[in-house]
Amino acid sequence: EVQLVQYGAEVKKPGESLKISCKGSGYSFTNYWIGWVRQMPGKGLECMGIIYPGDSDTIYSPSFQGQVTMSADKSINTAYLQWSSLKASDTAMYYCARLRSGSLDSWGQGALVTVSS
Amino acid sequence: EIVLTQSPGTLSLSPGERATLSCRASQSVSSSDLAWYQHKPGQAPRLLIYGASSRATGIPDRFSGSGSGTDFTLTISRLEPEDFAVYYCQQFGSSRLTFGGGTKVEIK
Repeated sequence: EVQLVQYGAEVKKPGESLKISCKGSGYSFTNYWIGWVRQMPGKGLECMGIIYPGDSDTIYSPSFQGQVTMSADKSINTAYLQWSSLKASDTAMYYCARLRSGSLDSWGQGALVTVSS
Repeated sequence: EIVLTQSPGTLSLSPGERATLSCRASQSVSSSDLAWYQHKPGQAPRLLIYGASSRATGIPDRFSGSGSGTDFTLTISRLEPEDFAVYYCQQFGSSRLTFGGGTKVEIK
């Protein structure tokens, strides 16, 4: 069974850094792109970018270029999304998902990030 | 970047009725790269349709997708109580993935 596991919730202050994870299992993690999707409170889904864990190739959506960093550690089947300096506007639910045949077929349960002073 | 526009924003229907959701692209999208998702509060989105018209594993046949080029449609033939949710279309072209703004299907 394909699974992507994300861990819970994070509460941070503005200016702090954060790295959230997404661990894959049940498939060849290095052979599929992983997408990161943001949902701000009361809003729709936005793709932040995609990463290929096999070689860590990354493609950022224009709105997110320079705002976050995607990375992966293929030795432990884990993808990461990180911020160097959080803002209140980064408060959102963040999902990772596997990209297969042009669609996101398996999703993590999401990580809720709250940024508040 | 391809922009997807979904309509209507909200659809108020009763169980048993037919739902027709529209997704229009700002430029032509390959059918193989068009998908639909269902999203309920507190849950991760769920893939319903990929390749514009193929149902994902475990998706009931009351869900169907159609369309090509710039106009795509998701149809729910008879709404069940568990179908009231937000639905998103998504495209993946030129290695850029974008979502539409969503259609909320609510109980009338």
